[in-house]
Amino acid sequence: QKEVEQNSGPLSVPEGAIASLNCTYSDRGSQSFFWYRQYSGKSPELIMFIYSNGDKEDGRFTAQLNKASQYVSLLIRDSQPSDSATYLCAVIISGGYNKLIFGAGTRLAVHP
Amino acid sequence: SQTIHQWPATLVQPVGSPLSLECTVEGTSNPNLYWYRQAAGRGLQLLFYSVGIGQISSEVPQNLSASRPQDRQFILSSKKLLLSDSGFYLCAWTPGQGARGYNEQFFGPGTRLTVL
Repeated sequence: QKEVEQNSGPLSVPEGAIASLNCTYSDRGSQSFFWYRQYSGKSPELIMFIYSNGDKEDGRFTAQLNKASQYVSLLIRDSQPSDSATYLCAVIISGGYNKLIFGAGTRLAVHP
Repeated sequence: SQTIHQWPATLVQPVGSPLSLECTVEGTSNPNLYWYRQAAGRGLQLLFYSVGIGQISSEVPQNLSASRPQDRQFILSSKKLLLSDSGFYLCAWTPGQGARGYNEQFFGPGTRLTVL
């Protein structure tokens, strides 16, 4: 059973701080990794994807991938109350057809 | 640009009634299409995926079925709903072109189903 694990949280950070969200995965053959943001009652919204080891930055978001450790993380700098949401880590499993396996998500709460 | 639609947005159905949820994608051709279910407070579970018209793969045994009658249309159905079928149903798409593993999935707005 190929799995993606996330700490369910809630992760509470003050406004302006860095939020660090972590994810581990079991499929060593996975090559593509995604972070989605899901506001309560809404559908997931893609915010970052990463395919290569190392860091990838996009605005206030940085995704980090370590395939040897089977670990992917998302850093949110200068956290804002509007960042309060559930963040879903997803991994395309080996075998084709872009099948995504999702973690259960980490709930982030940014307080003023 | 590509857009994905789902309807209805919300649905309340009695146990044992049939179900039909529809998903359509605009602005692309030959997409891969996916149905997910998200139970309250849980992660997303892949139910079905399709790489072309009439091609459906099921991920979990259940009383649901899926069909793809047209290239950009994906339908989720049930003959008799169970209480456990309640949840948030999400349709997603990626560009097709075979089994490339580097394409992002984009989600529709979802259908919230309550079975009473």
